[in-house]
Amino acid sequence: QKEVEQDPGPLSVPEGAIVSLNCTYSNSAFQYFMWYRQYSRKGPELLMYTYSSGNKEDGRFTAQVDKSSKYISLFIRDSQPSDSATYLCAMCSGGSNYKLTFGKGTLLTVNP
Amino acid sequence: GAGVSQSPSNKVTEKGKDVELRCDPISGHTALYWYRQRLGQGLEFLIYFQGNSAPDKSGLPSDRFSAERTGESVSTLTIQRTQQEDSAVYLCASSLGNTVAGELFFGEGSRLTVL
Repeated sequence: QKEVEQDPGPLSVPEGAIVSLNCTYSNSAFQYFMWYRQYSRKGPELLMYTYSSGNKEDGRFTAQVDKSSKYISLFIRDSQPSDSATYLCAMCSGGSNYKLTFGKGTLLTVNP
Repeated sequence: GAGVSQSPSNKVTEKGKDVELRCDPISGHTALYWYRQRLGQGLEFLIYFQGNSAPDKSGLPSDRFSAERTGESVSTLTIQRTQQEDSAVYLCASSLGNTVAGELFFGEGSRLTVL
């Protein structure tokens, strides 16, 4: 079992839809959870960062972490065509907080 | 420039040749990272530099891979005797030394194709 599992999609939704992206993980030492967005042929950029369990909201984006289930989610409200990208979850432990473990990424297309 | 700069952006080489990939981090960022992104795979950690501390090389896949960093500036990733399985996008990232975990700023990557 890989440390981080992420459904690669592809996921295609109409503009304005609510999008749910998810990752599961197996390493209980993970404490920091991130979502990166990667446009085609570009480097990943940090979208959201969460420490331990709970929710965090930033505009149209909400990140959720459930450590008891080892499950994290990213919700995108009122999705826009500009949200079309690959979304990568990433996580690390407190002891090695520079060494991120990434999911494979989910390719999202938002159709106008 | 304002962001992490990597060169070359694309490199095609023959199996068995050596390649060098360069990363110029954001000015003032003391931490520098190399990751590899193979097709259909997640990013894989390769190596981490933090200031003058010994680098964490635990992610380097074989002794054909090495990396150096000059002070708190440019880094070079070298792959010797390239193999086809080395084909990937090599991503460099930098961050402030005391950053919150995960606040990495990535470059656009060097796409390596080994024929």
